[in-house]
Amino acid sequence: AQRVTQPEKLLSVFKGAPVELKCNYSYSGSPELFWYVQYSRQRLQLLLRHISRESIKGFTADLNKGETSFHLKKPFAQEEDSAMYYCALSGRDQGGKLIFGQGTELSVKP
Amino acid sequence: ETGVTQTPRHLVMGMTNKKSLKCEQHLGHNAMYWYKQSAKKPLELMFVYNFKEQTENNSVPSRFSPECPNSSHLFLHLHTLQPEDSALYLCASSQDASSGYGYTFGSGTRLTVV
Repeated sequence: AQRVTQPEKLLSVFKGAPVELKCNYSYSGSPELFWYVQYSRQRLQLLLRHISRESIKGFTADLNKGETSFHLKKPFAQEEDSAMYYCALSGRDQGGKLIFGQGTELSVKP
Repeated sequence: ETGVTQTPRHLVMGMTNKKSLKCEQHLGHNAMYWYKQSAKKPLELMFVYNFKEQTENNSVPSRFSPECPNSSHLFLHLHTLQPEDSALYLCASSQDASSGYGYTFGSGTRLTVV
């Protein structure tokens, strides 16, 4: 069965500190992994996907198939990064539906 | 409003009421989704429609009844709900249901069952 686990409900860091939001997944096929973000009073929106291997707003995430992880990282957190972050998985052989983790609230303090 | 529009934004209903949630998109997408977001639980996929055909029902109770009359509109008909059904109901759309890429989400309907 597909499953996405985000072990931290809340992550609180100071401005300028490194950030790592953890995500582990369970999937038997070839997954697509995504990070979605929801800023206060805004819609859920895509932050990045593993296929594109890009950096968005300073965030990067590497898919580690051996550890079945897709952790989100940023070397220097900014206050505007405070938001809810959701890791999500989709499997082409299961219709492409998106399955989400529980979410991690990132709070960046000044 | 561009993107995915959901109405109403807030809804309070009694357990014996019948109401409907509406979702609309004019992005040219062919897949539409209903998700439930409860406190302290992950986003739960409820239904998937691809080219107007329902392709997924994630063991959702029959008191929730979806309808997709065309690729641009999706409804969620509600009847005889329970207080535990109170949640934020999110609609999303994508080009098609073959990939998890390119989802656009609505702002959601905050439902309270009293």
